[in-house]
Amino acid sequence: DGGITQSPKYLFRKEGQNVTLSCEQNLNHDAMYWYRQDPGQGLRLIYYSQIVNDFQKGDIAEGYSVSREKKESFPLTVTSAQKNPTAFYLCASSREAGAVEAFFGQGTRLTVV
Amino acid sequence: GNSVTQMEGPVTLSEEAFLTINCTYTATGYPSLFWYVQYPGEGLQLLLKATKADDKGSNKGFEATYRKETTSFHLEKGSVQVSDSAVYFCASGGSYIPTFGRGTSLIVHP
Repeated sequence: DGGITQSPKYLFRKEGQNVTLSCEQNLNHDAMYWYRQDPGQGLRLIYYSQIVNDFQKGDIAEGYSVSREKKESFPLTVTSAQKNPTAFYLCASSREAGAVEAFFGQGTRLTVV
Repeated sequence: GNSVTQMEGPVTLSEEAFLTINCTYTATGYPSLFWYVQYPGEGLQLLLKATKADDKGSNKGFEATYRKETTSFHLEKGSVQVSDSAVYFCASGGSYIPTFGRGTSLIVHP
């Protein structure tokens, strides 16, 4: 079955550590996105990629980094520079950038302990 | 750039009540419009979409009509169920990224 997979579902990080969230899609989509969702909040865009080997900062990119070395993979690293990383992270993909519907993963809940 | 505004929640209804969640958009041109649903602890799922003016999207008893004149895409359902309790997001297709509203929480009581 085609889809988009995020792992792990739950992640715990100690303060000062970097952590990487995985996002893989087998939909052959060009565009991929990372969003952050806080309780009772909407989606805030962290980074997006329109095509492999290219990515752009979103609204809240500080403290995060990404790579897009393969079409199917768009990992997100939450660095120690991110002051408030506890949140629900959502990865999405779409056939092309922006214009068509996005497909979402199940999310990763990151908690700093 | 594009923007989407939807009514704030929570919206609290009794089972079998009529549902309306308002959504308006601003955009250059005529973007595709979407409604997504998010159940607790999960990602968003596409509920319905409309790609041009006057199109009606429908799925699972939910409907929304693309109104160019009022730049709106309101979500409606004639008779809600407890299982419809979720957060609903209105979105528009953008040039490079989709634009989402802040989400509206729906709570349906038996």
